[in-house]
Amino acid sequence: AQTVTQSQPEMSVQEAETVTLSCTYDTSESNYYLFWYKQPPSRQMILVIRQEAYKQQNATENRFSVNFQKAAKSFSLKISDSQLGDTAMYFCAFMIGHDMRFGAGTRLTVKP
Amino acid sequence: NAGVTQTPKFQVLKTGQSMTLQCAQDMNHNSMYWYRQDPGMGLRLIYYSASEGTTDKGEVPNGYNVSRLNKREFSLRLESAAPSQTSVYFCASSGRTVHNEKLFFGSGTQLSVL
Repeated sequence: AQTVTQSQPEMSVQEAETVTLSCTYDTSESNYYLFWYKQPPSRQMILVIRQEAYKQQNATENRFSVNFQKAAKSFSLKISDSQLGDTAMYFCAFMIGHDMRFGAGTRLTVKP
Repeated sequence: NAGVTQTPKFQVLKTGQSMTLQCAQDMNHNSMYWYRQDPGMGLRLIYYSASEGTTDKGEVPNGYNVSRLNKREFSLRLESAAPSQTSVYFCASSGRTVHNEKLFFGSGTQLSVL
């Protein structure tokens, strides 16, 4: 079965500090894409960052970066210089073909 | 550029009623998807359409039907709504048929079945 596990239901961080959200997944496939999506209270799903499984280099998007460990099937998200606007649910997901599987999410609160 | 548009945004049904959720995208994407999101869970795939004229079941298809009306539109129908179908429904689209690199999501439909 292809599953995604986010072991931290809730996290908090002080504004301007760094936080890391964990994600592990299970698949027997070798080619897939990994994603982090953000869902603020508006309910909109917003792509934060994505990673191709065949690339060893970790993806980076401004203050967001990932630590992709393919052998360990781990895909964590690091948010640097946290901002109040980063407060949201964060979902880890991976996609094989047309099948995208999501984790249960981590609720992140950035405190002033 | 509207992206992915879903209607309605909110709906309340009684058990046994039917309804259709509408979704349209203006990005000329080939693939479209319907997901549901329940409290404490991530999104789960109901059905998808890899290209115009094709549809396939996802992880949780029971109780739903879909229609890919044309390249732009992909509807989700509940023939006889049940309380277990109370959820937030998201439509999404992507531009590539084989190596789908990311999904663009609509703003969701909050459905309550009483």
